[in-house]
Amino acid sequence: GAGVSQSPSNKVTEKGKDVELRCDPISGHTALYWYRQSLGQGLEFLIYFQGNSAPDKSGLPSDRFSAERTGGSVSTLTIQRTQQEDSAVYLCASSLGQGRGISPLHFGNGTRLTVT
Amino acid sequence: AQSVTQLGSHVSVSEGALVLLRCNYSSSVPPYLFWYVQYPNQGLQLLLKYTTGATLVKGINGFEAEFKKSETSFHLTKPSAHMSDAAEYFCAVSEETGGFKTIFGAGTRLFVKA
Repeated sequence: GAGVSQSPSNKVTEKGKDVELRCDPISGHTALYWYRQSLGQGLEFLIYFQGNSAPDKSGLPSDRFSAERTGGSVSTLTIQRTQQEDSAVYLCASSLGQGRGISPLHFGNGTRLTVT
Repeated sequence: AQSVTQLGSHVSVSEGALVLLRCNYSSSVPPYLFWYVQYPNQGLQLLLKYTTGATLVKGINGFEAEFKKSETSFHLTKPSAHMSDAAEYFCAVSEETGGFKTIFGAGTRLFVKA
């Protein structure tokens, strides 16, 4: 079946512009994560959606970052007034989620964001 | 809150030698532990996981890891490295109380020398 799909795969933007990154999780997966991968920084947790519960936003680095998940499926990560330090690969992952015990994460191929 | 520490951002071994990648975790409740692998220019994929039961878990490509509660460790090993094992490896921890939120370590890049 289809895996986690992210778009665009690459995004170059000017400092100060807003960007939107999209994630289509695997059908039936109730849990959805956003992570940021920077060189030497590993996978930095950003935000976690689980079903209809309020999202865990504890990893968002500033109020310029926000995310939503519509209809329990597609998610959009928005970065406002981008800065050069926002340059990174943004990864989305989904899993079966709570109620199914622990299940592994399935990752998309990421969006490489470059802020010039 | 859970956390993960991976000792060594880079590990280099010779082909055929033992691979040992270290991971220590912090968790207030029994953890679920994972190793993920990212091959060059590919996405992350699950290598193995520990949930409950047997503390020695086996994964793909000959890797295994042992959960040691007393040491809060979950080190990844492989008896004999292959060139194709060159990749970045991430240890991760998840807690049920956190709604299974998964936190990753900083990663260890494995180099395999011919």
